[in-house]
Amino acid sequence: NAGVMQNPRHLVRRRGQEARLRCSPMKGHSHVYWYRQLPEEGLKFMVYLQKENIIDESGMPKERFSAEFPKEGPSILRIQQVVRGDSAAYFCASSPRDTEAFFGQGTRLTVV
Amino acid sequence: RKEVEQDPGPFNVPEGATVAFNCTYSNSASQSFFWYRQDCRKEPKLLMSVYSSGNEDGRFTAQLNRASQYISLLIRDSKLSDSATYLCVVGGGADGLTFGKGTHLIIQP
Repeated sequence: NAGVMQNPRHLVRRRGQEARLRCSPMKGHSHVYWYRQLPEEGLKFMVYLQKENIIDESGMPKERFSAEFPKEGPSILRIQQVVRGDSAAYFCASSPRDTEAFFGQGTRLTVV
Repeated sequence: RKEVEQDPGPFNVPEGATVAFNCTYSNSASQSFFWYRQDCRKEPKLLMSVYSSGNEDGRFTAQLNRASQYISLLIRDSKLSDSATYLCVVGGGADGLTFGKGTHLIIQP
């Protein structure tokens, strides 16, 4: 059973471009969480999704950011018109319900 | 979103000492509790689950106090390799899992 897979591991985007981060949860996991971590800071909750539903997006900026977790395929975190302040590590975690979650290795986004 | 609070530290502790962290949570209906460890710039990893009766894994002991709504982590005979950020995680109900911001521990030789 493969772990949580995130890709790409590293992503470089120019200001104004779009960034798409993918997260494939562990097999049988229907809950996905996205977190952002700025350098020298702690994890910051962004969004909690279950299959085809956004349960809690209170941590996600209202503009430019969106997330989905379709019935088939990975969860996608999409950032439109990226700015330098979006540079961070983005971690995804999955769980079968509100039991222990397992994290992917993260995507390091750099905006130049 | 429900709150999980931790002292961010850093806790500077000499090697071999015992160190303890607490974490408080606001949702009295919470049912599941965990401690995670995060090493510098890597993904958090599950350290141990926390059961109502408390549990121990080697040098690590976790306790749950439902009445006061906190969980604790005790590390005995601390090693240099214990240096990391320790995250408290609480789950239950529609909110899924809620992560604390972490306590930074530095073990000094």
